[in-house]
Amino acid sequence: DAKTTQPPSMDCAEGRAANLPCNHSTISGNEYVYWYRQIHSQGPQYIIHGLKNNETNEMASLIITEDRKSSTLILPHATLRDTAVYYCIVRSRSGSARQLTFGSGTQLTVLP
Amino acid sequence: GAVVSQHPSRVICKSGTSVKIECRSLDFQATTMFWYRQFPKKSLMLMATSNEGSKATYEQGVEKDKFLINHASLTLSTLTVTSAHPEDSSFYICSASDRSNTGELFFGEGSRLTVL
Repeated sequence: DAKTTQPPSMDCAEGRAANLPCNHSTISGNEYVYWYRQIHSQGPQYIIHGLKNNETNEMASLIITEDRKSSTLILPHATLRDTAVYYCIVRSRSGSARQLTFGSGTQLTVLP
Repeated sequence: GAVVSQHPSRVICKSGTSVKIECRSLDFQATTMFWYRQFPKKSLMLMATSNEGSKATYEQGVEKDKFLINHASLTLSTLTVTSAHPEDSSFYICSASDRSNTGELFFGEGSRLTVL
């Protein structure tokens, strides 16, 4: 699975959009970009994933650059409950279940 | 999404005792479950892959006799920390994938083990 690089920490004002970047310059053609978050002392929570098109769901939007070497997770209106560590993970989907390899992630702190 | 439940969420035990942590997929069948370990302020590290009806596959450096994994049914995997010591104190998290092959993994709430 390709390696990802994320900033260690970011702050965001409550109510504003939080934009979390991720670099994955070695991503291969069959690898997807997944985003999970982990609120303190809880298990990781799935947010969104994509291959090459931008994706949006009720939680967030995922913007993937045309060359797929980087992506941005957007939380459109951050709340205090969005404070968490956000993990960007790249891996391929396959016919059998495969584990996720977690990097260091980005600690997002939403400020009141 | 699918639900994975862990029990207990917190456990405190004395050194030398064994502790069992359960991981259940509540609304789907999971032929494969994963066990992770997380130390304070660190990321999740995969310990082992649990396969229903067969032996677990352990990551390098993880003692299989120390961390016993049993995956006896399609909805239950257990992790037993044997002869626990204070250095085994950690946050243990399981995850599972349903059979839809979306690539999404569902995680349990985690179990915090404290060994005195």
